[in-house]
Amino acid sequence: NAGVTQTPKFRILKIGQSMTLQCTQDMNHNYMYWYRQDPGMGLKLIYYSVGAGITDKGEVPNGYNVSRSTTEDFPLRLELAAPSQTSVYFCATTKGGSTNEKLFFGSGTQLSVL
Amino acid sequence: QKEVEQDPGPLSVPEGAIVSLNCTYSNSAFQYFMWYRQYSRKGPELLMYTYSSGNKEDGRFTAQVDKSSKYISLFIRDSQPSDSATYLCAMSASHPGNMLTFGGGTRLMVKP
Repeated sequence: NAGVTQTPKFRILKIGQSMTLQCTQDMNHNYMYWYRQDPGMGLKLIYYSVGAGITDKGEVPNGYNVSRSTTEDFPLRLELAAPSQTSVYFCATTKGGSTNEKLFFGSGTQLSVL
Repeated sequence: QKEVEQDPGPLSVPEGAIVSLNCTYSNSAFQYFMWYRQYSRKGPELLMYTYSSGNKEDGRFTAQVDKSSKYISLFIRDSQPSDSATYLCAMSASHPGNMLTFGGGTRLMVKP
């Protein structure tokens, strides 16, 4: 099992460009999350999904969009990229979403907006 | 003021030392406390989980929670170079969505 797979690993965008960060999981988990990690700031939740067809905003959703058409995939869309979106993005999953459940993270996408 | 505070380090110790990593928090509703370990260019992985106050031990690792002081700790005994990583504390009041609040992480370096 691959677990949680994120692509691409690195990307440089120009201001105003758009892109989609891909996340796919083969763990049959219901809950999926997108976090961003800025140096010294911990991880901030962008969006999450409790199942196919259901998404909800996290702490920092502005400038991002998500969709969840299948259990396996949870892409994150950046429209009109801005320098403030330079960060490392992590996708994560849990089976049922209980607070004490372990989050499984992908290896991250490092994004620079110049 | 951040909801969860964590000294960013770096913390440099010799191999075999006892390491103490700490977080303070302001939200008294937090009940679930976790420590994640993150190696360079990797995603975090869960190391320890504790519910409410008390201690939990797992091998060389001990997690402590003092809710009265809003203070949590992770102790690493007999530290190894392989323990060199960033350690993130995380906590939550309740679900849904496993809404964790993370500290900024402490970078630990264990020198042989």
